[in-house]
Amino acid sequence: DAEITQSPRHKITETGRQVTLACHQTWNHNNMFWYRQDLGHGLRLIHYSYGVHDTNKGEVSDGYSVSRSNTEDLPLTLESAASSQTSVYFCASSEGPGTVTYEQYFGPGTRLTVT
Amino acid sequence: KNQVEQSPQSLIILEGKNCTLQCNYTVSPFSNLRWYKQDTGRGPVSLTIMTFSENTKSNGRYTATLDADTKQSSLHITASQLSDSASYICVVSSNTDKLIFGTGTRLQVFP
Repeated sequence: DAEITQSPRHKITETGRQVTLACHQTWNHNNMFWYRQDLGHGLRLIHYSYGVHDTNKGEVSDGYSVSRSNTEDLPLTLESAASSQTSVYFCASSEGPGTVTYEQYFGPGTRLTVT
Repeated sequence: KNQVEQSPQSLIILEGKNCTLQCNYTVSPFSNLRWYKQDTGRGPVSLTIMTFSENTKSNGRYTATLDADTKQSSLHITASQLSDSASYICVVSSNTDKLIFGTGTRLQVFP
């Protein structure tokens, strides 16, 4: 069965360190997304990609970057981790745009703590 | 400002009872509305997706309604089960291709 996986599931890092969160999907979807989820907020979009070598900024992109070298993977990098980036991060993928009724499938999440 | 508001924030019911969760949105222009279920420690899973022309949509014991005129949606859960304990998130898509997420309703079902 097709799936979307994230690793690691839990990560503790120190302020200032570079951290990369992995996302891998076997749906063969062109569209991939990274969100963060914090108490009191709905999921917020960090970055997204509509295909290989395509990346776009979401509403909370400062301090984050992504790259898309193949269809299956969209790693999220925190260039210099800050305590404000302590959160749960979700990767998602979909066959098409959200303006149409394509399902968006979510990974299990990565809980990141920055100390 | 595009917003999605959900009520109540949390809800406790007994197993076997019905409940209804509410979602109000100010997203414009509207494309579609989704309800997701998120179990603790897991990613959201889609329950229903409705377009402007759909008033109601069911997925097993879950029934979503949409009133595009008043910009309101509801999710009705029939004959609740312990496994229904989760957060339920209302999500609205505009024609900018972005999903706008509500903060969710946390439902606890007790035996």
